[in-house]
Amino acid sequence: NAGVTQTPKFQVLKTGQSMTLQCAQDMNHNSMYWYRQDPGMGLRLIYYSASEGTTDKGEVPNGYNVSRLNKREFSLRLESAAPSQTSVYFCASRMMTTGTGNTIYFGEGSWLTVV
Amino acid sequence: QKEVEQDPGPLSVPEGAIVSLNCTYSNSAFQYFMWYRQYSRKGPELLMYTYSSGNKEDGRFTAQVDKSSKYISLFIRDSQPSDSATYLCAMTVQGAQKLVFGQGTRLTINP
Repeated sequence: NAGVTQTPKFQVLKTGQSMTLQCAQDMNHNSMYWYRQDPGMGLRLIYYSASEGTTDKGEVPNGYNVSRLNKREFSLRLESAAPSQTSVYFCASRMMTTGTGNTIYFGEGSWLTVV
Repeated sequence: QKEVEQDPGPLSVPEGAIVSLNCTYSNSAFQYFMWYRQYSRKGPELLMYTYSSGNKEDGRFTAQVDKSSKYISLFIRDSQPSDSATYLCAMTVQGAQKLVFGQGTRLTINP
């Protein structure tokens, strides 16, 4: 059972370049999320999607776009990368039912460096 | 003031010690409380899940929730070097799309 799979795992970009982080989950979860994690800042929510076809901004959406392609896939796009976007990015998914359905499951992370 | 406060540490203890990790929160509506463990260069993984107040035990790990004090704890008994990781607390309300995470506490267990 793969869970949440995100690619690529490592990427180096030049300032101004664009790229897309891909994420797929095989748990039939309704909600999907993109977080960034920086030293001393904890996890910060970039965007989330409550269901296929819907997306909403989180705490730090500027400079990012997302697409919920279908129930399984949720991609994050950097249109013009900036050094401030150097970070570790985590995709996550959640069932959104009662009880343990409130828990969130994370991918392994994507390490992005913008030079 | 942050909605969830967690001491980032670092916390360093000898092997075999009892470890106590804590979070405080301000939103009395939170009902679901989680602890995640994150090893270096890995994604967070769910460690413990608790609904409302009370204790929950799983092996060497015990999660406690005190809603009256808005305080949650994770205890690790007989700590092992393999417990060295960052521990994040998280909490939410039924039906809410977003979870609120603590900053994480970096824990090192010394052999």
